[in-house]
Amino acid sequence: GQNIDQPTEMTATEGAIVQINCTYQTSGFNGLFWYQQHAGEAPTFLSYNVLDGLEEKGRFSSFLSRSKGYSYLLLKELQMKDSASYLCAVRDYGQNFVFGPGTRLSVLP
Amino acid sequence: EADIYQTPRYLVIGTGKKITLECSQTMGHDKMYWYQQDPGMELHLIHYSYGVNSTEKGDLSSESTVSRIRTEHFPLTLESARPSHTSQYLCASMGLAGGLTYNEQFFGPGTRLTVL
Repeated sequence: GQNIDQPTEMTATEGAIVQINCTYQTSGFNGLFWYQQHAGEAPTFLSYNVLDGLEEKGRFSSFLSRSKGYSYLLLKELQMKDSASYLCAVRDYGQNFVFGPGTRLSVLP
Repeated sequence: EADIYQTPRYLVIGTGKKITLECSQTMGHDKMYWYQQDPGMELHLIHYSYGVNSTEKGDLSSESTVSRIRTEHFPLTLESARPSHTSQYLCASMGLAGGLTYNEQFFGPGTRLTVL
């Protein structure tokens, strides 16, 4: 079966660092993706990991451990505009994606 | 830059009506997808297509149908809308564009459907 777990909600302060975890159990694995989705809007792509390790992209970094079925998204120097839902998604051996429930992040002043 | 369009953006319609949600992309992507998402909930795949004349049902059972007659166009049709169809419908595409393979999906702005 397909199962992706993320915390439902997180709160952090402007300027801080926050780590959003994602664990997955899927029948196939061909990459892990993080998307950002503001309320009422479409998801936008943030990062992609297919090999173990850390991928850094400005204020955002994403880590993957395939043996543990685990990933995290790290957001540094938080800004108010980072308040959004963050979706973890796994691509299977085909070209389909399974999305997690999303983590709603609130950034407080 | 991703160019994927959905119309209408918002639709309020009565029970029993037939509706078609339009999705078009100008990137030449071969793969296209339809997702259903309720507010604050996860995305569920309802249909996908890997190319012209190829369509498959996704993980979430849906009473909708799709067609893929042209690469750039992937419309979704509900023959008889019901209140249970009230949701947001997101279209996405992925694949080759400009000689490059994109690993991520690009999403359209979505259609928010309300069936009374």
